[in-house]
Formats: sequence, structure tokens, C-alpha cells
Amino acid sequence: GAGVSQSPSNKVTEKGKDVELRCDPISGHTALYWYRQSLGQGLEFLIYFQGNSAPDKSGLPSDRFSAERTGGSVSTLTIQRTQQEDSAVYLCASTLVGSYGYTFGSGTRLTVV
Amino acid sequence: QQPVQSPQAVILREGEDAVINCSSSKALYSVHWYRQKHGEAPVFLMILLKGGEQKGHDKISASFNEKKQQSSLYLTASQLSYSGTYFCGTIPIGDNDMRFGAGTRLTVKP
Repeated sequence: GAGVSQSPSNKVTEKGKDVELRCDPISGHTALYWYRQSLGQGLEFLIYFQGNSAPDKSGLPSDRFSAERTGGSVSTLTIQRTQQEDSAVYLCASTLVGSYGYTFGSGTRLTVV
Repeated sequence: QQPVQSPQAVILREGEDAVINCSSSKALYSVHWYRQKHGEAPVFLMILLKGGEQKGHDKISASFNEKKQQSSLYLTASQLSYSGTYFCGTIPIGDNDMRFGAGTRLTVKP
């Protein structure tokens, strides 16, 4: 596609429920990243996918968080048993590996009530 | 591993200049700069690579001092449209994932 697409744009969920956030990167981009941004804060790295390599999960805050990337394209970030501290904007970015900038999606604003 | 940005915030009048600094504790392969306006996604401004260089477009430029592991973003003759939060992102040598600084909130007033 022309840009990075994320869905849903907004998600309100009850504490304890599971949520799935979707990212559709730019066609041909081999690298995909997930970041979390809390209100007024910087971008916190969560996970990185590159081609068929094992993902770098070093930023996932707990085992309630997981992500997968199917067919080297679409990625899903899953948060199980959501907590109020999970409330944030979840941003996905994709790029060609090397000397290229990242293109970010518009994000999913997650609110846990 | 997260780079350190300074200042945290700056307020300018139109036409004034600003410098935003970014430093890392690790040897860097590249430094990225992004601008994020309120409620929007970060937008890529420029990338600087290992080897030390300076880049720019229009009145926004940046430098990368490889030895000091520092980068600076220069905004000259600021315009209202420059307002937003600026983030530096760094990729250490040998890594593939980028970590961002906490951001610098820039406000340009008429």
C-alpha cells in the first residue's frame, strides 16, 4: 500500500480482556517495528521483525505481550489480560533495512478501563 | 541504550534559531531525526550515517559527530510549521533496532 496502515485506530477494552492490534506495512518493506507511546512520552521499542529472521523481542514489557508477522507482511500485536498501564498509542513502522528512514502508521490508541 | 536528548522543551519566536542535541553511550551506525505533531505519527526528517556527516534540507539541518556519539539538529529562521516534538533515534553498530530519545517539544510563536 501507499503507507503503513494500522487498525483499529481506537480501541477501548475492559481490564483483563485480550486485544489484537494489526499493522499492514508498506509493500516491499522487509523490516517492521512496534513501538508504544504513552501520553506525552517518547517512543518505547517493543519488537522488531526482519525478513525470515527470528524477531527481536527484547522490548516486550511482559509475557502478556506477543507479536507475529505472517508471510513477511502483516503483523499482529497481541496483549493478553490487559492492564490499565497498557493504555497508550501503539505505533507500527516499516522500512527497507539500511540507510532508510522509518515510515510510521497512524497508530492504535488503546484505552483499558 | 536510549539516547539522551536536550533540551526537553524550547519556545521560539518566528525567525529564531534552535539546536536540539542527541547523545548516545554506544558507538552508532546511524542517527535518525523525526518530527511528531500533536495527535499524528512521527515523520522522518533525515538520517545521518557512520562516517560523520552533515545533512539538511530547507532550513533544517543536522550533524553527526561519530567520535563523540552525538548528533545535533539545527532549525534556522524557524516557522510556525516547525512546532512539534522532535525525536532522535539511534541505531548502534551491530544492532538493527532503533531506540528513541525522550523528545524535545518545540513551540514556535508568531
